[in-house]
Order: sequence, then structure tokens, then C-alpha cells
Amino acid sequence: EDQVTQSPEALRLQEGESSSLNCSYTVSGLRGLFWYRQDPGKGPEFLFTLYSAGEEKEKERLKATLTKKESFLHITAPKPEDSATYLCAVQDGSSNTGKLIFGQGTTLQVKP
Amino acid sequence: DVKVTQSSRYLVKRTGEKVFLECVQDMDHENMFWYRQDPGLGLRLIYFSYDVKMKEKGDIPEGYSVSREKKERFSLILESASTNQTSMYLCASSEAGRGEQYFGPGTRLTVT
Repeated sequence: EDQVTQSPEALRLQEGESSSLNCSYTVSGLRGLFWYRQDPGKGPEFLFTLYSAGEEKEKERLKATLTKKESFLHITAPKPEDSATYLCAVQDGSSNTGKLIFGQGTTLQVKP
Repeated sequence: DVKVTQSSRYLVKRTGEKVFLECVQDMDHENMFWYRQDPGLGLRLIYFSYDVKMKEKGDIPEGYSVSREKKERFSLILESASTNQTSMYLCASSEAGRGEQYFGPGTRLTVT
């Protein structure tokens, strides 16, 4: 059964303290892995798509990487405005309907 | 930019009422999705549609129905609202065959 597990559930960092969020997945053929950011009371905002092991994508202080079993979202020198819940999702290789399987998310709090 | 709009940000309904949640996207996307999001349970797929008048059940379709009469519009219907349907409802859309889903702002529904 396809599954996505994110860790940790919650993460508290001081401003400037770099860290990584983990997304482990089990899927029968990965078609794509997606990262989203969600602010409280709002809909998720698309960040990155990764397609194959070894691929990396960057946006400001965020960098997403992908292996055959997991993805990491690295946050370099975070600022308080990076506080949000980060969601990971995968698309099964057999799915041509665009359905995604989401993880539970990691809630990041960055203190000034 | 992809724009997904939802008819209401906040909605309060009584038990037993029929509730309509509307979603409109302006990017000519083939796929549209309805999710609900609850603390500790993450995003759960209710229904999705990959074409006009086509629909498929997601993971938790019980108590819901959907309608897609036009490509840009996808409606979620609660035939007889119950208190356990109090939740945040999120609509999303994506291009055919692609996994990147773009979300609306969400509707927070309270059933009393």
C-alpha cells in the first residue's frame, strides 16, 4: 500500500538555525514527489516537484532533495516567516488521474 | 498564476441542512479535487473529477456527492449535514497527467 510518512511532526528552531524535514515514501513506482507549504487557515501552496533520485530544487532558503526512499526539505538560516506546516505528497507511477498521497505534515516554528 | 477560488471562507450550517460548496479554477485544468482537513488526520480525499461529468470516489466519500457540469467548476454537496462534517474543506485542480495540484483558500464549515 502506498504510504507517506513525515518527520518530525513538529520542529522548533531559532532564527538562523538550519535543519531538515524528512518525507519517507513507499510507492509502486514514483511519478513525482511534491512539497507544499501551508499557513494556518489557508490552502496549501505548491513549492517543488521532484521526479527522480538525485534531483534537487531550490527556492530562497529552501532546498528539496530526493532519494529512492525519501525526500528532505532543507531549511538554511530560517526566518520567523518560514513558520508554517510543510506537506509532502507523492504520485504513484500507475496513477494518471493526478491523485496524490499526502503525509501528515511537519509544523515548523522559527523563533526570533 | 493559477487561481482556485472557493465560494465561502467560513460557513455555519444546521444539522440536516443541504450544503453546497463551490470551487472554480481559471487555468483550464482537467482534474479537480475535494479534500477535507482535520487536526491529526491530515488531508483526506473525498472525491475527484478528471473530466466534465466524470467523478470518482476518494477515500472518504460517505455523506458527500459532487457535481461537475462545467470544466472550471466543481461542487461538493453535503446532502444532510452532520456535526462530524465540521471541517476545513479544500478544493484543488491540476493539469491532466500532472501531479502538481493548486489549492483554493479553503472553506471552514461548522455544522451545529
